[in-house]
Amino acid sequence: KAGVTQTPRYLIKTRGQQVTLSCSPISGHRSVSWYQQTPGQGLQFLFEYFSETQRNKGNFPGRFSGRQFSNSRSEMNVSTLELGDSALYLCASSPREMGQETQYFGPGTRLLVL
Amino acid sequence: GQQLNQSPQSMFIQEGEDVSMNCTSSSIFNTWLWYKQDPGEGPVLLIALYKAGELTSNGRLTAQFGITRKDSFLNISASIPSDVGIYFCAGQFGANSKLTFGKGITLSVRP
Repeated sequence: KAGVTQTPRYLIKTRGQQVTLSCSPISGHRSVSWYQQTPGQGLQFLFEYFSETQRNKGNFPGRFSGRQFSNSRSEMNVSTLELGDSALYLCASSPREMGQETQYFGPGTRLLVL
Repeated sequence: GQQLNQSPQSMFIQEGEDVSMNCTSSSIFNTWLWYKQDPGEGPVLLIALYKAGELTSNGRLTAQFGITRKDSFLNISASIPSDVGIYFCAGQFGANSKLTFGKGITLSVRP
């Protein structure tokens, strides 16, 4: 099976702009989670979508939003970008089998905000 | 909230040595996962543990789910240069809850 794919891999934006990142999960996986990774804070959970519904949410401002489509593909949007949003954004998919949580990560999108 | 502690932040070992890392929590988890991340890439799942006391191996890697359900250990035997990277532990409490990650341990292997 193909792994988790994320597009684009690299992105440069300026403050105030908005950005949309895309994630295609492993075929058959219905859960997609998003994480922000920075050197100082490690992996910070943004949100999880399961069957097009947001199931869990981390402690990020409302500028960070996401959605999931019927084919399980997910997008994450960040509006009014700030310098501190520069990070590696990781997407992970999971089959979400009961009692056995296993997340598989994509390669990430590296966002640089200038 | 739930937190996972991984320490030290960095470890330096000689090629061929064994290394052990642990991950501790203030609360109980029902699933423990160990990941390795190479620079510029996403984390790769190494071992998944689903039962207290479980001991699982993946090649030179062995991980254990602590009996108290508040800790987990990862051992790497006979280290090689490609073991270099950041090792993360992650835990999950309930079937529908999110994963909580530790801050990771950066492993360096001297040839």
